[in-house]
Amino acid sequence: NAGVTQTPKFRVLKTGQSMTLLCAQDMNHEYMYWYRQDPGMGLRLIHYSVGEGTTAKGEVPDGYNVSRLKKQNFLLGLESAAPSQTSVYFCASSRGWGAKETQYFGPGTRLLVL
Amino acid sequence: TQLLEQSPQFLSIQEGENLTVYCNSSSVFSSLQWYRQEPGEGPVLLVTVVTGGEVKKLKRLTFQFGDARKDSSLHITAAQPGDTGLYLCAGEKGTASKLTFGTGTRLQVTL
Repeated sequence: NAGVTQTPKFRVLKTGQSMTLLCAQDMNHEYMYWYRQDPGMGLRLIHYSVGEGTTAKGEVPDGYNVSRLKKQNFLLGLESAAPSQTSVYFCASSRGWGAKETQYFGPGTRLLVL
Repeated sequence: TQLLEQSPQFLSIQEGENLTVYCNSSSVFSSLQWYRQEPGEGPVLLVTVVTGGEVKKLKRLTFQFGDARKDSSLHITAAQPGDTGLYLCAGEKGTASKLTFGTGTRLQVTL
């Protein structure tokens, strides 16, 4: 039981390049989330999904797209990377919605955009 | 707009000392969670408090939800190096809604 895994762990991009971050969970969770973490700002929700085939915008969705083609996978795409997207990205999953449900986080992907 | 402000932002203490971390907001939350994040890892849930005035204990950690459900505190007794990490609070407004995370408190406990 691996929980939540993220690929890659670290990536360097040049401005304008594109990439996809992969998140996988083996807990059969319905809900999945993508957050970014920046110093002094905690975690901010980018996009989330309430089930296979669904996606929704979070607090800071601009510049990102997501897809949830399979229940266990949640992909985060950057079509044209910008230096402002330099951050640590965390994926999470939960059985249900809200604070009464535990969100399980992956180890993070550190992204540097030059 | 950051709805949850944590203080202090950084805290460096010696083993055996006590400390309190605060999570404050002008908004009412229906429930609040505390997470600990170690370097290079994702946050891990410590506790969820749902009732105003509620106190929960987890070994040397004591969590309290404010009576008005606008604030929370985390008190650590006799801190140990293993307590080192980033502590995050996260609140839920209403029921079944998205979590809002706090700004974080980075704690370092030295020998």
